Amino acid sequence: EAGVAQSPRYKIIEKRQSVAFWCNPISGHATLYWYQQILGQGPKLLIQFQNNGVVDDSQLPKDRFSAERLKGVDSTLKIQPAKLEDSAVYLCASSLRDSNSGNTIYFGEGSWLTVV
Amino acid sequence: AQKVTQAQTEISVVEKEDVTLDCVYETRDTTYYLFWYKQPPSGELVFLIRRNSFDEQNEISGRYSWNFQKSTSSFNFTITASQVVDSAVYFCALSEVILAGANNLFFGTGTRLTVIP
Repeated sequence: EAGVAQSPRYKIIEKRQSVAFWCNPISGHATLYWYQQILGQGPKLLIQFQNNGVVDDSQLPKDRFSAERLKGVDSTLKIQPAKLEDSAVYLCASSLRDSNSGNTIYFGEGSWLTVV
Repeated sequence: AQKVTQAQTEISVVEKEDVTLDCVYETRDTTYYLFWYKQPPSGELVFLIRRNSFDEQNEISGRYSWNFQKSTSSFNFTITASQVVDSAVYFCALSEVILAGANNLFFGTGTRLTVIP
């Protein structure tokens, strides 16, 4: 079974530029997550989708970050304009359903962003 | 508020030694789930185990074992006869329902394990 796919793997941009990350979850997984992992820290949730609807985006800096999952499958996370503190790994994850707090969340390899 | 503490930032062991990674959590929920993930240098978080709050039975999977003690809010992870391939950052995480139909994973800060050949 294919895992969570993410691209690009690495991106270096200058501050104030924009960047977009793409994610394709595991087939059949209704719930999709974007996490931000800053070096030396654990991942933190940015946004969670259930099919094509947003379930939780309370931690998403909406002045610069946006995400969409238009057809309920793959998703795009955009940052515009980027700041130095946005340098992190952006992890996409998916789970089969989220009506149960114990659903296992499976992660992709992440998109490593460096803002200079 | 939910919180996960991994007090050990880095651990180094010599190959074939046993090593235990500590995890202490805080939650007001009566129903919750605990997880361990492994993050090798490639960056992907690899799922290792999930345990619900009603199941305190310890689990063994090959060289891995987990000790869940609700009385001390701990969920420790032991690797027996460590190998170089075990070198990675290990994260403990707590799952809670944040909204109806939504759940989130709260991660600890991770423990970096280095196994020296």
